[in-house]
Amino acid sequence: AQKVTQAQTEISVVEKEDVTLDCVYETRDTTYYLFWYKQPPSGELVFLIRRNSFDEQNEISGRYSWNFQKSTSSFNFTITASQVVDSAVYFCALLPNNAGNMLTFGGGTRLMVKP
Amino acid sequence: DAGITQSPRHKVTETGTPVTLRCHQTENHRYMYWYRQDPGHGLRLIHYSYGVKDTDKGEVSDGYSVSRSKTEDFLLTLESATSSQTSVYFCAITPANREDVADTQYFGPGTRLTVL
Repeated sequence: AQKVTQAQTEISVVEKEDVTLDCVYETRDTTYYLFWYKQPPSGELVFLIRRNSFDEQNEISGRYSWNFQKSTSSFNFTITASQVVDSAVYFCALLPNNAGNMLTFGGGTRLMVKP
Repeated sequence: DAGITQSPRHKVTETGTPVTLRCHQTENHRYMYWYRQDPGHGLRLIHYSYGVKDTDKGEVSDGYSVSRSKTEDFLLTLESATSSQTSVYFCAITPANREDVADTQYFGPGTRLTVL
């Protein structure tokens, strides 16, 4: 069985602070894919990143960076110099190679960035 | 923008009534999915389709049925709605030109359903 845990249900920061959103996953598959999605207050789901289990390189995209560590089954997401527009619910998701099309989502972390 | 529309966007209905939600796409995507979103659970897969008339169950399929008679439409039906089916429903696709099932899923705008 697959599982994704986002232990932080809610985080509040002040603008310009750095913030890290934690994601821990469980799977028995050796090949799998990890995703992050953003859900702003408007409600749509926005794809942010996809990583496969063989690529442990960290990735940076502007103020966003992702730290994938297989040894600890974690795929954490850091926002540097947070902005009010970063306020949203962020979801981590797992897709094992043998799970067909079934994405398993974490419960989400609500990030509030205050001016 | 994955070219997905969902209708209706909001619906209020009563317990016991049938409800059909529609997901429409115009880009010939083969794989389509229905998820529900509930607080604390993230999104959970209800059903998915890998082609016309080809569908399969997801994690939370009880009380739901689906149909896909055309590539562009994927319908989700609640035969007899219950209050536990109050949720936000999202349709998703895997892009047509990237049919690796492990590829990214892109989501529609969602339908908020309230069952009284």
